[in-house]
Amino acid sequence: ILNVEQSPQSLHVQEGDSTNFTCSFPSSNFYALHWYRWETAKSPEALFVMTLNGDEKKKGRISATLNTKEGYSYLYIKGSQPEDSATYLCAYHNTDKLIFGTGTRLQVFP
Amino acid sequence: GAVVSQHPSWVICKSGTSVKIECRSLDFQATTMFWYRQFPKQSLMLMATSNEGSKATYEQGVEKDKFLINHASLTLSTLTVTSAHPEDSSFYICSAPFPGLAGGSTYEQYFGPGTRLTVT
Repeated sequence: ILNVEQSPQSLHVQEGDSTNFTCSFPSSNFYALHWYRWETAKSPEALFVMTLNGDEKKKGRISATLNTKEGYSYLYIKGSQPEDSATYLCAYHNTDKLIFGTGTRLQVFP
Repeated sequence: GAVVSQHPSWVICKSGTSVKIECRSLDFQATTMFWYRQFPKQSLMLMATSNEGSKATYEQGVEKDKFLINHASLTLSTLTVTSAHPEDSSFYICSAPFPGLAGGSTYEQYFGPGTRLTVT
């Protein structure tokens, strides 16, 4: 069974705080690791697709790192804003398909 | 970025009836589309891969005669839940791959907004 685990399940932070979440995935048959941002009633939005061990990607205040050997990825948000409130999904892409975690639900309070 | 639409956004139907959900890629062509299902507090689970011009590929445990998939064109895939039952109540969401910045065949997935199906 291929499991993708995300932690924490939910997170409440104050505006301006920096935060990070973890995605753990199988280290075998690795092809890519995807991060998505999913706001309620909207489509999941692709943040990053990461393929190489040691990869670091950044988009504005959001960045992600990848360790394929140990099977984890971190997503960081610097200086959280209320508009960052969403569920953040990761998905492990093996040669066959995407396998999703259950997500980390982030709420940022003003 | 690429846009995928899905219709309807929510539907309520009676047990035993069939429901059709449409997934459209609005500004790009998609020879492949994916259909996922999400039950409460669970992850998105791939149900099937829809292939334009050929039969869909179903994941283990997904009944192909119950969940009919038709990829009629390069921009449209439909999922029909036949003889729906309350246990089919779920959130159904489609996606289409689009070549991303990672290059090669590591495609970003563009998702529709999903369809909430309630079977009474």
